[in-house]
Amino acid sequence: QQQVKQSPQSLIVQKGGISIINCAYENTAFDYFPWYQQFPGKGPALLIAIRPDVSEKKEGRFTISFNKSAKQFSLHIMDSQPGDSATYFCAARGAAGNKLTFGGGTRVLVKP
Amino acid sequence: DSGVTQTPKHLITATGQRVTLRCSPRSGDLSVYWYQQSLDQGLQFLIQYYNGEERAKGNILERFSAQQFPDLHSELNLSSLELGDSALYFCASSPSGNEQFFGPGTRLTVL
Repeated sequence: QQQVKQSPQSLIVQKGGISIINCAYENTAFDYFPWYQQFPGKGPALLIAIRPDVSEKKEGRFTISFNKSAKQFSLHIMDSQPGDSATYFCAARGAAGNKLTFGGGTRVLVKP
Repeated sequence: DSGVTQTPKHLITATGQRVTLRCSPRSGDLSVYWYQQSLDQGLQFLIQYYNGEERAKGNILERFSAQQFPDLHSELNLSSLELGDSALYFCASSPSGNEQFFGPGTRLTVL
């Protein structure tokens, strides 16, 4: 059972554009929502995270928007750069322990 | 660099064999998590240890086991290996249960 659904599976954006990745979850016990960035051959790297009592969090060019009532959250990458080309995973923590439940990932390609 | 180290980087073995993957967490982190990443299943939680004790179990097969030692390093043991066990295995560590920092992974290939 996939508890965190992520879309789209892949995304192509022009340099300077905005990349938007969406995630939806089912379990209301989730209490922490991180985003990870993964480059080929590397481990996932924590990018930004949010708690459900906050509707938006911004760090540099990365912003998380959180809609608790809709059980949805999204990552916006502003002014996308070729170096942002990577796979992005949303995740949710909770529901028995601190384990992370990951979305399926979005492969982002930023064209110069 | 997350500060989490994993060895070996690559492992190639045959079906039916047993392997051990090693993880050293970031200095001071008491929690260690193991995840499996495969093309068809994505990133899946296997097991968590906190200060030497098993804290949570996920989709971990009975052929797999793990432990965390007094120096806080952890090992994931995979036995009776099958072709379907080929995957990337990641270790993550956490100081508090919030942020989890992932290591570079071990790529396991079962032939």
